Amino acid sequence: GAVVSQHPSRVICKSGTSVKIECRSLDFQATTMFWYRQFPKKSLMLMATSNEGSKATYEQGVEKDKFLINHASLTLSTLTVTSAHPEDSSFYICSAGIVTTDTQYFGPGTRLTVL
Amino acid sequence: EDQVTQSPEALRLQEGESSSLNCSYTVSGLRGLFWYRQDPGKGPEFLFTLYSAGEEKEKERLKATLTKKESFLHITAPKPEDSATYLCAVQARDDKIIFGKGTRLHILP
Repeated sequence: GAVVSQHPSRVICKSGTSVKIECRSLDFQATTMFWYRQFPKKSLMLMATSNEGSKATYEQGVEKDKFLINHASLTLSTLTVTSAHPEDSSFYICSAGIVTTDTQYFGPGTRLTVL
Repeated sequence: EDQVTQSPEALRLQEGESSSLNCSYTVSGLRGLFWYRQDPGKGPEFLFTLYSAGEEKEKERLKATLTKKESFLHITAPKPEDSATYLCAVQARDDKIIFGKGTRLHILP
């Protein structure tokens, strides 16, 4: 089955630094990738949708200058949290989709802790 | 190996025909089981979180239950607007989240 990986699985950084999270589709080409942030104990908030070769579409309330998304190839999307602050600490999850099937495959998530 | 399996993959029901979706899991140290609804082209919409066996939660026509091995999402008298993909996800002790592949539910008017 389709596999999506994320790297790193955990990252701890100091306030003010930038952190890059990678999302890879390992055995299929993903025309669309989604980035989510999970809030404690419940909801998965969609942050942005990225299509290969074009700019990401951000959800309302998500700062595009703070959360930079690049989808340079059909197998890789990156999320860069710029000038991270403690309130950015969260669990970030990506998913990759194949448009012809409407199916999304989720990565295992990345735990970001900003000190 | 941590695993989440949803069944059936797809389900077609007549409006008003109640049914249940299944999410079976094996995970080391369950921290939570989540149900989401997803419409095509959109991100998942949170429905429920369950933490321990025996727990039940309800929202409108949906009711989620949890045992030590599986969770059921019961849908009572569904309407066409309930058509969507329903996703189950499990969070393990090490924080990893494992998603099932979803059940595509189609309610016929």
